[in-house]
Amino acid sequence: EAQVTQNPRYLITVTGKKLTVTCSQNMNHEYMSWYRQDPGLGLRQIYYSMNVEVTDKGDVPEGYKVSRKEKRNFPLILESPSPNQTSLYFCASSGAASGRGEQFFGPGTRLTVL
Amino acid sequence: AQSVSQHNHHVILSEAASLELGCNYSYGGTVNLFWYVQYPGQHLQLLLKYFSGDPLVKGIKGFEAEFIKSKFSFNLRKPSVQWSDTAEYFCAVNSVNDYKLSFGAGTTVTVRA
Repeated sequence: EAQVTQNPRYLITVTGKKLTVTCSQNMNHEYMSWYRQDPGLGLRQIYYSMNVEVTDKGDVPEGYKVSRKEKRNFPLILESPSPNQTSLYFCASSGAASGRGEQFFGPGTRLTVL
Repeated sequence: AQSVSQHNHHVILSEAASLELGCNYSYGGTVNLFWYVQYPGQHLQLLLKYFSGDPLVKGIKGFEAEFIKSKFSFNLRKPSVQWSDTAEYFCAVNSVNDYKLSFGAGTTVTVRA
């Protein structure tokens, strides 16, 4: 089954404790992206990757890092989380074959930073 | 830079009522247009998309949307809603040569039985 998976689905942590949210897709998509969803703001892009070893900032990259060492994986790293990073995070992927812009979303990770 | 505006923040309807959600975008070039739906507690799913051709596109679950290029609009419609249509709806746009999607703020639709 074609899908995007994320782990963990729920995470409660404390300020300053480094964490990683994993994202994996099995559709051989070249494009992957991370979003955060906040009430009234819709989805805002954090980082994206056009292919292996190619990453770039989205609209709200501050406080986040990413890496793309393999085509299928695109982890999101919070080196020193802060309470304003409490949010719902979605990973998404897209490929030229499915039409640019048609993105497939993971189930989401609800992060709470205390 | 692209921007997407959704007219309604929250819409409350009764079952069998008609639904129309407005979406306008600002971008000077050729775009692809999407509506995504997020049911409570679930991830975003594609409802319908417009790449080119007939400006009236039909999606899943009886939804349709009309692209009006002159108005930079892509409004979503459903003639008769059901309780199961309760969800958040997002309009999204990208340039045809780009993967990056710009999302609207979303419209929460509540359908009362």
